[in-house]
Amino acid sequence: GENVEQHPSTLSVQEGDSAVIKCTYSDSASNYFPWYKQELGKGPQLIIDIRSNVGEKKDQRIAVTLNKTAKHFSLHITETQPEDSAVYFCAASKKGGGTSYGKLTFGQGTILTVHP
Amino acid sequence: GAGVSQTPSNKVTEKGKYVELRCDPISGHTALYWYRQSLGQGPEFLIYFQGTGAADDSGLPNDRFFAVRPEGSVSTLKIQRTERGDSAVYLCASSSLSQSSYNEQFFGPGTRLTVL
Repeated sequence: GENVEQHPSTLSVQEGDSAVIKCTYSDSASNYFPWYKQELGKGPQLIIDIRSNVGEKKDQRIAVTLNKTAKHFSLHITETQPEDSAVYFCAASKKGGGTSYGKLTFGQGTILTVHP
Repeated sequence: GAGVSQTPSNKVTEKGKYVELRCDPISGHTALYWYRQSLGQGPEFLIYFQGTGAADDSGLPNDRFFAVRPEGSVSTLKIQRTERGDSAVYLCASSSLSQSSYNEQFFGPGTRLTVL
């Protein structure tokens, strides 16, 4: 089955700096890669996703890149703010047939702390 | 509109007892997922429903765990003879999944289960 590795496990930055979180996946059939933000006591919130037919996607201060050949993808947050502090998870899944359709495999998470 | 809701938000039970956890998905979402999240880890897949049927229950850890979705909307996760190792946050997610779409999953706030 799919295996997703995420690094770093913790990341501390100063407000205004950039933050980068990296993930690798094992199953070359995976084609959908979402990123979730989880605040304490809450469920994961989808913040951005990327599909295997594109290499990069940007939404305001957040961008994701995907390298299918190397099987890795990254989350980039620019101009970080204290409210960006949370746990971030990457995940991978497959679109299209089979009983495992849509099942997300998550990384282990990155605790991001943005210091004012 | 309303997001995914889960009840109860917290459940404390004693070892050996039976518990039921409820999930109300986003209206109209045909796909429903249960995940389990242990402290400091990413969510792990348990079971996936498409409509009323369990399309993939490969993540259920053993036969003490069972889930139903009799009318294709609300789902209940049932755990028999609870053990201390079952303590975790149980997350539910729903998606307007189809064979032609990518799988954006929206999560509820979770139920924190503590087995004493």
